[in-house]
Amino acid sequence: SQKIEQNSEALNIQEGKTATLTCNYTNYSPAYLQWYRQDPGRGPVFLLLIRENEKEKRKERLKVTFDTTLKQSLFHITASQPADSATYLCAFGGSYIPTFGRGTSLIVHP
Amino acid sequence: DSGVTQTPKHLITATGQRVTLRCSPRSGDLSVYWYQQSLDQGLQFLIQYYNGEERAKGNILERFSAQQFPDLHSELNLSSLELGDSALYFCASSAPDRGNHNEQFFGPGTRLTVL
Repeated sequence: SQKIEQNSEALNIQEGKTATLTCNYTNYSPAYLQWYRQDPGRGPVFLLLIRENEKEKRKERLKVTFDTTLKQSLFHITASQPADSATYLCAFGGSYIPTFGRGTSLIVHP
Repeated sequence: DSGVTQTPKHLITATGQRVTLRCSPRSGDLSVYWYQQSLDQGLQFLIQYYNGEERAKGNILERFSAQQFPDLHSELNLSSLELGDSALYFCASSAPDRGNHNEQFFGPGTRLTVL
């Protein structure tokens, strides 16, 4: 069955550094991938969508890449701030069943 | 504020009981999704409705059912509740012209506690 894997270990970084989160997928070739941010006890919030024919997408301090050969997407936050601390989820798009990864927790230390 | 509303915010009930969770999608959105999120399972897709019709089904238990009404609001019914059903239940909606499972707007969730 199709799977999305994200690093379950929290990522701890210092303020001002670039955070890089990884999303790997198997048994499927998604037409696009999405990234969401989720704060504790709240619903996920959509951040970015990248299509299979796009290598990279940017939005302000956020950058997403999509490598269909490696079956991987990388999510970068540059000049990270403590307010960026949250769990980041990646999700398939274009499939019959919406599939989310379990998310990676990012903690940005001041 | 995503524009998706869910009620109630919290629900505490006993095993064996039945509850109904309600969701109103963003204005103009025809798709409604239901998800269950527990600490050990992540965000699990339950079911999707599009303009009143069931469109996709995920890992939804037979004890659970949902429907979408003509005004596009949706209800998720959970019956014969078990301790393991305790979780956050999210509803999400998406725009009708964006294809399958594009950008979803999530509600604030209903926290269900089964005692």
